[in-house]
Amino acid sequence: QQQVKQSPQSLIVQKGGISIINCAYENTAFDYFPWYQQFPGKGPALLIAIRPDVSEKKEGRFTISFNKSAKQFSLHIMDSQPGDSATYFCAGWARLTFGEGTQLTVNP
Amino acid sequence: NAGVTQTPKFQVLKTGQSMTLQCAQDMNHEYMSWYRQDPGMGLRLIHYSVGAGITDQGEVPNGYNVSRSTTEDFPLRLLSAAPSQTSVYFCASSYSKRGLNGYTFGSGTRLTVV
Repeated sequence: QQQVKQSPQSLIVQKGGISIINCAYENTAFDYFPWYQQFPGKGPALLIAIRPDVSEKKEGRFTISFNKSAKQFSLHIMDSQPGDSATYFCAGWARLTFGEGTQLTVNP
Repeated sequence: NAGVTQTPKFQVLKTGQSMTLQCAQDMNHEYMSWYRQDPGMGLRLIHYSVGAGITDQGEVPNGYNVSRSTTEDFPLRLLSAAPSQTSVYFCASSYSKRGLNGYTFGSGTRLTVV
């Protein structure tokens, strides 16, 4: 039972483009939503996180948009770079539950 | 370098064998956990610990045992390996269960059961 559903499974964008990854959650007890970034052969690392009382959080080129009523949140990567190529996981916290992951490839 | 250290990095087991995946952290984190990562399924929580002597089950605990005798170490034991346990295993730690400052993950153990 996957309580956090993530899409797309893979994404290819051109350098300079916008990458958008979407997540939907079911558990209304979730009160903290982090995104993790994972490079090949490495463990995931926290990228950015948001609480549900905020509709948007921006850190550099990375922005989380949060829609509490729809139980959806998304990660936007502006001006995507080849160095952003990684697998991205959204998660919800009641007991940290991850989405399925999105493999992002940014072509130069 | 402070962080989470997992050993071994790679392991091949035969069905029915047992083994222990090691995890150690030097950040004095109270919370430690084990995840398995499978294609298309994200990371699923196996077991976790909120402190020495305290462990609890996660989402997929069957076939795995854990213990936490010290703050630093949190080994994961496979009792009788099965091909379904072929996966990449990650250990993670945090100051608290909530992990508001992020969980620190190890670099993983890639396990193949034949």
